[in-house]
Amino acid sequence: EIVMTQSPVTLSLSPGERATLSCRASQSVSNNLAWYQQKPGQAPRLLVYGTSTRATGIPARFSGSGSGTEFTLTIDSLQSEDFAVYYCQQYNHWPPYTFGQGTNLEIK
Amino acid sequence: EVQLVESGGGLVQPGGSLRLSCAASGVTFNIYSVSWVRQAPGKGLEWVSGIGGTDGTTYYADSVKGRFTISRDKSTNRLYLQMNSLRAEDSAVYYCAKERVGYSTGWSFDYWGQGTLVTVSS
Repeated sequence: EIVMTQSPVTLSLSPGERATLSCRASQSVSNNLAWYQQKPGQAPRLLVYGTSTRATGIPARFSGSGSGTEFTLTIDSLQSEDFAVYYCQQYNHWPPYTFGQGTNLEIK
Repeated sequence: EVQLVESGGGLVQPGGSLRLSCAASGVTFNIYSVSWVRQAPGKGLEWVSGIGGTDGTTYYADSVKGRFTISRDKSTNRLYLQMNSLRAEDSAVYYCAKERVGYSTGWSFDYWGQGTLVTVSS
């Protein structure tokens, strides 16, 4: 089973700042990596798939990068609606699909 | 527009059973693989089980293998999760989630339902 590790656990930033979230896989997942955003009481929402392709309707301030075992989600110029929990997921070696433990992006 | 609506959650005693349902509109389960993903209170996401769209192959997490059964009804476009021998650690919100690409399995999840809460407690 591929273990996904996200860092930091909590990230405190102000609106307008840039957020950099990291995700590490225990072995290579090629570019089969997705990012999700989850707000309290809501289902996860797909942000990025294939490491760097934004899902439909996702603003350009969200960008993904990386390959193999190291991945990054960058959010430029944070908006109030961006404060949420973010999860990475690998879908290269399945079953099982595995998720990171999440990064809580909170307002500073 | 794709919509997934889960139902069937509730309170059940340890050792009991429950069947979850996911009704789909705007998408055909014959084409797209779908999964159940759960989230314990205050915790992260855990993939539970999936079923292939074209061939109906089923997949399970080790934590539920032998206790849970995933199935689908093509005529009604519904997904099910039969959960037996439930344990306290199975308590979670259960989401059904559709894979992004059709005619194959092994993709990210582009649509999710709102979830249904399962509580296992005496």
